[in-house]
Amino acid sequence: QLQLQESGPGLVKPSETLSLTCTVSGGSISSSSYYWGWIRQPPGKGLEWIGSIYYSGSTYYNPSLKSRVTISVDTSKNQFSLKLSSVTAADTAVYYCARKWELREIDYWGQGTLVTVSS
Amino acid sequence: QPVLTQSSSASASLGSSVKLTCTLSSGHSSYIIAWHQQQPGKAPRYLMKLEGSGSYNKGSGVPDRFSGSSSGADRYLTISNLQSEDEADYYCETWDSNTVVFGGGTKLTVL
Repeated sequence: QLQLQESGPGLVKPSETLSLTCTVSGGSISSSSYYWGWIRQPPGKGLEWIGSIYYSGSTYYNPSLKSRVTISVDTSKNQFSLKLSSVTAADTAVYYCARKWELREIDYWGQGTLVTVSS
Repeated sequence: QPVLTQSSSASASLGSSVKLTCTLSSGHSSYIIAWHQQQPGKAPRYLMKLEGSGSYNKGSGVPDRFSGSSSGADRYLTISNLQSEDEADYYCETWDSNTVVFGGGTKLTVL
């Protein structure tokens, strides 16, 4: 059974860089059928797609976040990572990693991790 | 870029049926969508992929009570024989190439 697990600091200071890692188990991140992505959910609000990456390193980003986002992949560790720079309180959210079929839907979600931006 | 519109809330009685709607923006009425369920305090869970023809494919373990249908730009999620555990937020998702868009979500209350 595929599992995705987010990890990283739960508290980040304003203007700093948020960094999270998603570890994939029960399947290979190098599969040609899938993209691997990040989605966030501010408290009490809806889902916002941040971006996705293919095992080769090809990326797609939400245009509204593109200038601050970097998603990378480490196939040797079966992990992919998110960096969001210059964070503000508006970036406080639960961050989810997920698996997405190429040119299709998200079909697996991680359990999510709360990141709070505060001094 | 497609836009997905969902009603903010819905309610129905235990044991009854409810039909949730996700509407695709103009020019995107043929797009395939997916439905996801988010129970309180939990991560979202994939329910199904739904095509414009009304054909749908459910994820592993999704009860038979969940079904999908389509009409024009509208995509529906029908839940029959509502159970208390169906009280949740329901999100639709679509994609353009490999960029993803979510609807605003519908909060379903089971009375």
